Amino acid sequence: QVQLVQSGAEVKKPGASVKVSCKASGYTFTGRNIHWVRQAPGQGLEWMGWINPTTGGTNYAQKFQDWVTMTYDTSINTVYMELNRLRSDDTAIYSCVRDSGNYGMDVWGQGTTVTVSS
Amino acid sequence: QSALTQPASVSGSPGQSITISCTGTINDVGRYNYVSWFQQHPGQAPKLMISDVTSRPSGVSDRFSGSKSGNTASLTISGLQAEDEADYFCSSYTRSTSWVFGGGTKVTVL
Repeated sequence: QVQLVQSGAEVKKPGASVKVSCKASGYTFTGRNIHWVRQAPGQGLEWMGWINPTTGGTNYAQKFQDWVTMTYDTSINTVYMELNRLRSDDTAIYSCVRDSGNYGMDVWGQGTTVTVSS
Repeated sequence: QSALTQPASVSGSPGQSITISCTGTINDVGRYNYVSWFQQHPGQAPKLMISDVTSRPSGVSDRFSGSKSGNTASLTISGLQAEDEADYFCSSYTRSTSWVFGGGTKVTVL
């Protein structure tokens, strides 16, 4: 079955960077974009952007354009999301989600908790 | 504050029907038929229940149905069951080629 498995929880200091991985299985990896979404404590879900694992093309939400980088490695069916210059309000659960192929999302990863604290 | 507005909680007795609303704007829910609904049980990843406003993915019970009127989409759960107790949230594609989400609704089966 289609699965997205993310890397484990991270604790980072303010100003550092974090890189979260998302390994896909059960479908043709290059066939669907992968979105990244986050949810801070007590807040709603926030779309961060997507990456096309065939072309490397990206579409970042305007808010994140200067400090997020999404990459991929087709040899291991994995996409990555790196967030730079972390602040305490970046503490959140970060999730990768497969694009449905029709302006939606379908399968979610299990989420990765990133805690930013001095 | 989320871009799409959902009620914080909805409850119903077993066998009843409940409806969860998801209100956006003319630039998202009102413009496109690309509204999805997800179910999330505690500690689990979200599960797609409805896509493209009304489409049910394979394996999803036909007790779940979606609709839209103007800038508001709705998810109806018929014949409410104990296993339906979960958080539900909506999402929509937007005019600015991005996606927005609702704040989530906690469904309680009384």
